[in-house]
Amino acid sequence: DVKVTQSSRYLVKRTGEKVFLECVQDMDHENMFWYRQDPGLGLRLIYFSYDVKMKEKGDIPEGYSVSREKKERFSLILESASTNQTSMYLCASSLRPGGNLGYTFGSGTRLTVV
Amino acid sequence: AQSVAQPEDQVNVAEGNPLTVKCTYSVSGNPYLFWYVQYPNRGLQFLLKYITGDNLVKGSYGFEAEFNKSQTSFHLKKPSALVSDSALYFCAVRDIRLTGGGNKLTFGTGTQLKVEL
Repeated sequence: DVKVTQSSRYLVKRTGEKVFLECVQDMDHENMFWYRQDPGLGLRLIYFSYDVKMKEKGDIPEGYSVSREKKERFSLILESASTNQTSMYLCASSLRPGGNLGYTFGSGTRLTVV
Repeated sequence: AQSVAQPEDQVNVAEGNPLTVKCTYSVSGNPYLFWYVQYPNRGLQFLLKYITGDNLVKGSYGFEAEFNKSQTSFHLKKPSALVSDSALYFCAVRDIRLTGGGNKLTFGTGTQLKVEL
């Protein structure tokens, strides 16, 4: 069964900490995405990557960065965590071009910044 | 630009009754359309998609959706709801004319479906 795996289901971090969220897919997908999900706001795209070492900003990149050193792994980095980054973070992947195939999602990481 | 609207934050239905979760979209060209479901504290799971062809699309767990080009809608339906269908449902769209990296989907804000006995 193909999978997108997020390393942590629940995470609690302190304000100002540098936080790493890891995502690994085993489907040889070119595209990978990071979203945050907040009640009433749906899914908002933070960053995406369509190839190794490539990245593009999504709709809300401020306060975040990403790293894609290998095709299967896409990391989201919170440079200095703040309480307004408390959220559910979802990783997804898809084939490229594959626009008609949709995404495969990970189970999500619920991050709480205190 | 592409966008999706889910006009209802919550839909309540009795078990055994038919259900509809509404979705309208806006794209410049023709759309790819998707429905996903999310159970509590989980990621999104694919339900069904419309790419081309028959306007009535059948998906997982007895769900179906009808593509209506003139009304730019892609409503999710099920003839007989189950309590276990209670979840958060997301509609998503992509303009098939978009090229380049990412193949980004645009998601709606989600509709919470509550099925009661």
